[in-house]
Amino acid sequence: KQEVTQIPAALSVPEGENLVLNCSFTDSAIYNLQWFRQDPGKGLTSLLLIQSSQREQTSGRLNASLDKSSGRSTLYIAASQPGDSATYLCAVSGAGSYQLTFGKGTKLSVIP
Amino acid sequence: KAGVTQTPRYLIKTRGQQVTLSCSPISGHRSVSWYQQTPGQGLQFLFEYFSETQRNKGNFPGRFSGRQFSNSRSEMNVSTLELGDSALYLCASSGTGTRGLFDTQYFGPGTRLTVL
Repeated sequence: KQEVTQIPAALSVPEGENLVLNCSFTDSAIYNLQWFRQDPGKGLTSLLLIQSSQREQTSGRLNASLDKSSGRSTLYIAASQPGDSATYLCAVSGAGSYQLTFGKGTKLSVIP
Repeated sequence: KAGVTQTPRYLIKTRGQQVTLSCSPISGHRSVSWYQQTPGQGLQFLFEYFSETQRNKGNFPGRFSGRQFSNSRSEMNVSTLELGDSALYLCASSGTGTRGLFDTQYFGPGTRLTVL
């Protein structure tokens, strides 16, 4: 059974700092890995999707890497801003369906 | 392009009642998945429908059921509600059929269900 862990559970940083969020998964047989953002009481917004054959994806100030063999992914946020404050969720999909297995998330607070 | 819509956005029910939630996926998407989100358990997969067929089901009791219509809209039903069913229910759409399983999942805003 796939399990996804995210560390740390919460993180508080001053504005402008670069930061890294971590995600690990137990079964390396994944199809893809997605990073999402969730604002309080809202749905999920997809940030980046990394296919199993890829090593990283970039979008603006975000860069996500994937090391499938070791079961790890990182989300790097450059020059953090208060608007980045949210919960960041990592999710993996396996074979045969779009079913996602989620971590519990990292709650990020960027202090002005 | 319109996003994923879910109705209603908020629901208050009492124990023992039943409830139906609706999800309209992005136009052209054929897959709809449902998730339950609670503070304690996080996001848990309920089921996935693709072209009107249930393709996968999570570890939830039979009180939770769903279906998908020919226009890809989906409904989920929860019968005999329990206090522990209080949660945010999210649906996600994907699957244009052209990129296979690498498609990004797009989530709706969710339905907040409160069971009293």
